[in-house]
Formats: sequence, C-alpha cells, structure tokens
Amino acid sequence: NAGVTQTPKFQVLKTGQSMTLQCAQDMNHEYMSWYRQDPGMGLRLIHYSVGAGITDQGEVPNGYNVSRSTTEDFPLRLLSAAPSQTSVYFCASSHQTGAAYGYTFGSGTRLTVV
Amino acid sequence: AQSVTQLGSHVSVSEGALVLLRCNYSSSVPPYLFWYVQYPNQGLQLLLKYTTGATLVKGINGFEAEFKKSETSFHLTKPSAHMSDAAEYFCAVSVAANDYKLSFGAGTTVTVRA
Repeated sequence: NAGVTQTPKFQVLKTGQSMTLQCAQDMNHEYMSWYRQDPGMGLRLIHYSVGAGITDQGEVPNGYNVSRSTTEDFPLRLLSAAPSQTSVYFCASSHQTGAAYGYTFGSGTRLTVV
Repeated sequence: AQSVTQLGSHVSVSEGALVLLRCNYSSSVPPYLFWYVQYPNQGLQLLLKYTTGATLVKGINGFEAEFKKSETSFHLTKPSAHMSDAAEYFCAVSVAANDYKLSFGAGTTVTVRA
C-alpha cells in the first residue's frame, strides 16, 4: 500500500498565483485533513473532511479551499498565494474512529511563496 | 477546547542517557493523547498513543509514556538514547472518538551527542 501520497514535494509560487496541493490515500479512510507546519508552532489544522462531500474548517482556513468528491482524494487549493502561506503542508487520514486509531501522514509538500 | 504545551523546544542528550520529553495538556473531557516523531524531511510517524485503560503506554523504538490525569501530563521517555533518536517530537491531543481534530504542541527537537 502507498498510504498517503502528496504531490508535489516542493513548489515555489509567486505572490498571487494559485495552485492545488494533491493528497491521495488508498486505505479507504473516511477522515482526511490538511495541516500546515511552521517553526515553533507545531502543526495547525487547515481543513478536514469526514467523508466524501463533507468538509469543514479547521484552525487556520483563510486563503485555502478544499473539496472531497471521492473517498481517496482531498486536494487543497491556494486561491491567491501570499508569503504568509510559505510553510510545509501535511495531509493526514484515518479510519472513522480516527482519534482512537491514529493518523497516517503523508511526507509533506514544502511551499515557498515569493 | 484542548491545548498542548511541550516544555523545551530543544533537548540535547548523550548517547545512552535518559530521554525525557515533557507534555502537558488542557482538556475539559478525558483526552486521547499521542506522541509523533518526525525525522528530517519526512512526515510524522506515530510513536504511541493513550486512549483508555493502562496509563503506561509502550510504543515503538523503546519509547514509553505515562498518562497522569492529576498532573494533566503525558511525558515521553526512553531509558537509553540512540543516535537514531535525533528527530523532532510532537505531543498531540484529541478529545473523543467523534472529534477527529488533533491539537499539536509546538514540538521538541532532540539532538544526541556521541
């Protein structure tokens, strides 16, 4: 099994550009989420989804958009990139009882906005 | 709302010495507690978790943690550090099986001296 796959691994954007970070899992997990990691701040939840067609905001949702059309995929869209969105982005997934089961993380996307 | 505090952003230990990473949480309900490890340029990997039952939890790579409700703590220990333990460690909390959101601490970077 591939687990959670994130693409691309690295990306440089100019301010104002848009892009989509891809996340796919092959474990039939109901729950998927996006976190951003910044030095000294741990990981902060951006958006999450508890199943296909259902999404909700996390702690830091501004400037990001998500959709969940299939169980496998959960893309994260940056509508108009800003330097403050320079970060490392992680996608995570789990079974429906996620809190007790634990989460599987992807290897991350390192994004730089110049 | 729950929160997590990790005491000490950097910890340096000698090879063979005790590793102790401190984590305190605040939660209005019994928490689910996790420790994750992140090796350089990789995603997060689950070390161990506490959900219910025995308060001393054993994880991978010789790590263990003890849930102390009276102290609202979940400190991570390893009796003898190895060079391969050099990484960043995150404590995380979730409040219930029907709340999938993880709240992370800021992380503690461990360096191991030969």
